[in-house]
Amino acid sequence: AQKITQTQPGMFVQEKEAVTLDCTYDTSDPSYGLFWYKQPSSGEMIFLIYQGSYDQQNATEGRYSLNFQKARKSANLVISASQLGDSAMYFCAMREVNYQLIWGAGTKLIIKP
Amino acid sequence: EAGVAQSPRYKIIEKRQSVAFWCNPISGHATLYWYQQILGQGPKLLIQFQNNGVVDDSQLPKDRFSAERLKGVDSTLKIQPAKLEDSAVYLCASSLVSGRRVVNEQFFGPGTRLTVL
Repeated sequence: AQKITQTQPGMFVQEKEAVTLDCTYDTSDPSYGLFWYKQPSSGEMIFLIYQGSYDQQNATEGRYSLNFQKARKSANLVISASQLGDSAMYFCAMREVNYQLIWGAGTKLIIKP
Repeated sequence: EAGVAQSPRYKIIEKRQSVAFWCNPISGHATLYWYQQILGQGPKLLIQFQNNGVVDDSQLPKDRFSAERLKGVDSTLKIQPAKLEDSAVYLCASSLVSGRRVVNEQFFGPGTRLTVL
């Protein structure tokens, strides 16, 4: 059963606008972690932000924030003031046992000048 | 701090040939992962090492894929013989897994793009 769902295969956003990338997850474990990674065309996965299931506040890292809605099992990534360099694939992932990550299919984000 | 190193960056082979990929994790990272990422998909875990022991290789096609991490540092992933469907990017990641740390994020290398003709 698919555990991480990213429903947006691709998105076009105007530069300087905010963008929200959707991620829903499914787990019965009360303790889990959610990650967002960025993958530019160069191929390397870059860690962006983390949200623990017990964290009371939404995670923030610079222009990145995570809109965590536990009851709805969603962990959307918000990028404020988008830049051309934000164009990339974005992956949502959930940590399971043994610190393994279950990955979504990704969203391709293109920032238009 | 040096990142995760991988080589080669690109490899083109014909089907039924063999190929090997090398990965050197971040110094001190005990946990090492190999992923296969097919174009347009998220990464799929092939094998996870903790030091030089295998934690999980349930998704490794063992009839043709093998991996080792003999001294608990660098690792090699081999495919023999390669098939057309093995064309993908092979990513290596490492992590400093610790109960004292909360995030324990994985750090990735640049990947090896394999094309099987």
